[in-house]
Amino acid sequence: SAVISQKPSRDICQRGTSLTIQCQVDSQVTMMFWYRQQPGQSLTLIATANQGSEATYESGFVIDKFPISRPNLTFSTLTVSNMSPEDSSIYLCSVEDRRGSVGTDTQYFGPGTRLTVL
Amino acid sequence: TQLLEQSPQFLSIQEGENLTVYCNSSSVFSSLQWYRQEPGEGPVLLVTVVTGGEVKKLKRLTFQFGDARKDSSLHITAAQPGDTGLYLCAERTYKYIFGTGTRLKVLA
Repeated sequence: SAVISQKPSRDICQRGTSLTIQCQVDSQVTMMFWYRQQPGQSLTLIATANQGSEATYESGFVIDKFPISRPNLTFSTLTVSNMSPEDSSIYLCSVEDRRGSVGTDTQYFGPGTRLTVL
Repeated sequence: TQLLEQSPQFLSIQEGENLTVYCNSSSVFSSLQWYRQEPGEGPVLLVTVVTGGEVKKLKRLTFQFGDARKDSSLHITAAQPGDTGLYLCAERTYKYIFGTGTRLKVLA
């Protein structure tokens, strides 16, 4: 298993500013992901954070808006840039324990960062 | 793009009742996972089903994978307030694709 912490747990920000969210894992992992979630709704994948290379972004998400760093196998940051009220959401990081065979992969999530943009 | 539709979207029941949540896909799953998410927390993996027709039990929760691997169900027997949360199905392809979610509230 993996224990994941995120900072901050919540924040209220002004329009036009940026916020960096940190994700720390208690063990080295290959795969790290960043998701966005409206309260009570499903998760949308923003990007896969790759160690030592640029993140892989999903359709609708761009690096200029959501820059991601992954300096090592236990840490990643997501920045929400030039925020608008539409960016208000819960941001979650996750890691995957890949065992290689179908049905054995396990994803562990951090507790999330609740962002409100005024 | 794979779409995972869950039903119902919302469910509010009394303690002790039974319920079933469904997850349906437009194409065949390679495998399917079920997660539960409580307020203020990240989703937690409950189970992974792999084989068509497979049934797995986790205490009062029964998970079933359709024979054709295009649908799955989660049945909760004698629901308790602690079962309250958001239930999500998900498939791992080259990435994780999550279902639309079912919000369950169990009233004491």
